[in-house]
Amino acid sequence: EAGVAQSPRYKIIEKRQSVAFWCNPISGHATLYWYQQILGQGPKLLIQFQNNGVVDDSQLPKDRFSAERLKGVDSTLKIQPAKLEDSAVYLCASSLDEDEKLFFGSGTQLSVL
Amino acid sequence: SQQGEEDPQALSIQEGENATMNCSYKTSINNLQWYRQNSGRGLVHLILIRSNEREKHSGRLRVTLDTSKKSSSLLITASRAADTASYFCATTGANSKLTFGKGITLSVRP
Repeated sequence: EAGVAQSPRYKIIEKRQSVAFWCNPISGHATLYWYQQILGQGPKLLIQFQNNGVVDDSQLPKDRFSAERLKGVDSTLKIQPAKLEDSAVYLCASSLDEDEKLFFGSGTQLSVL
Repeated sequence: SQQGEEDPQALSIQEGENATMNCSYKTSINNLQWYRQNSGRGLVHLILIRSNEREKHSGRLRVTLDTSKKSSSLLITASRAADTASYFCATTGANSKLTFGKGITLSVRP
């Protein structure tokens, strides 16, 4: 079974630039999550999709972050413009349904200079 | 906000010893999960325990849940050097949102 695919693996940008991350969840998984993990901390949920609808985006900084999940499959997370404090690992995860175990991708390590 | 708080923050043991990690949370939950993260990689699910369960086993892992004390523990028996990683507890509340703690760093010395 193929796992959760994320790209790119690493990204270095300067502040005020924009960046986009891509995620392909496990086939058949209805729920998709984007987490932000700052070094030394636990993952923080940015947005949760159920199929192509948003379940929770309460911690997504909507003035600069946006996410979409077209057709309830792939998802993209965008930051525009990036700030220094956005430097983190961005993790995508999927699950069969809510309240089930999550399968994580390898993450995208973002460095904002 | 982070719901679960793990204890201790760091743990160093000898190979073959048991490792016990604790997690406390504040509000009622649907389930509690434990994940492992090796340096620079994504998280791997270890075990899920639902609010109506008290104990679960999976290989060398044993998880307990005490909803009256709002706490859980993860026991790894006969630890190996390969168990060296960060361990996170995560809780799912009524809103089905999975919230992670800050994690515990486990070092297993060969």
